[in-house]
Amino acid sequence: QKEVEQDPGPLSVPEGAIVSLNCTYSNSAFQYFMWYRQYSRKGPELLMYTYSSGNKEDGRFTAQVDKSSKYISLFIRDSQPSDSATYLCAMSAENAGNMLTFGGGTRLMVKP
Amino acid sequence: DSGVTQTPKHLITATGQRVTLRCSPRSGDLSVYWYQQSLDQGLQFLIQYYNGEERAKGNILERFSAQQFPDLHSELNLSSLELGDSALYFCASSVASGAGNTIYFGEGSWLTVV
Repeated sequence: QKEVEQDPGPLSVPEGAIVSLNCTYSNSAFQYFMWYRQYSRKGPELLMYTYSSGNKEDGRFTAQVDKSSKYISLFIRDSQPSDSATYLCAMSAENAGNMLTFGGGTRLMVKP
Repeated sequence: DSGVTQTPKHLITATGQRVTLRCSPRSGDLSVYWYQQSLDQGLQFLIQYYNGEERAKGNILERFSAQQFPDLHSELNLSSLELGDSALYFCASSVASGAGNTIYFGEGSWLTVV
């Protein structure tokens, strides 16, 4: 079993929909949680960064972390075709340097 | 543009050969990371350097080696290449080496071994 699990999708939604992307993890030492967006054959781009539990909002994006359930989410409001990409969750622990452990990614397609 | 520069962008080479991938971190970043992305394994951490010193090692094969030079650029050397080494290799950088420092990724070097 992988340390970080993520549904690979693809997830297809109509433009304007609210998108929910999720990851579960098994390592309780993870304290830093990130969401990256990756367009095809491009480098991952950092979208959201959260420390420990709680919510964080940035424009159309909201990240949630529930450490008690070992579950993190990314919500995208008013989704746009330009949001079509693969979304990767990533995590790191306090005592592991800055090594990121990634989920496998969820491919999102937003249809006009 | 993250500010992390990787060369070459694409590389095709034969099995058994050796290649070198080059990375220039963002201006001011002292820590460099190498990740491998393949279809079956996803994004895997290989190795981290901070100011020229190795800081952490992940799933890096013995056939692979890396270093960070005094000007902070880094190179990843892949030798005795096998078909399974075909992947996207990403370099990333951050200001410092500790947990929680934001990591920025380059655009990757696409390696195809034939």
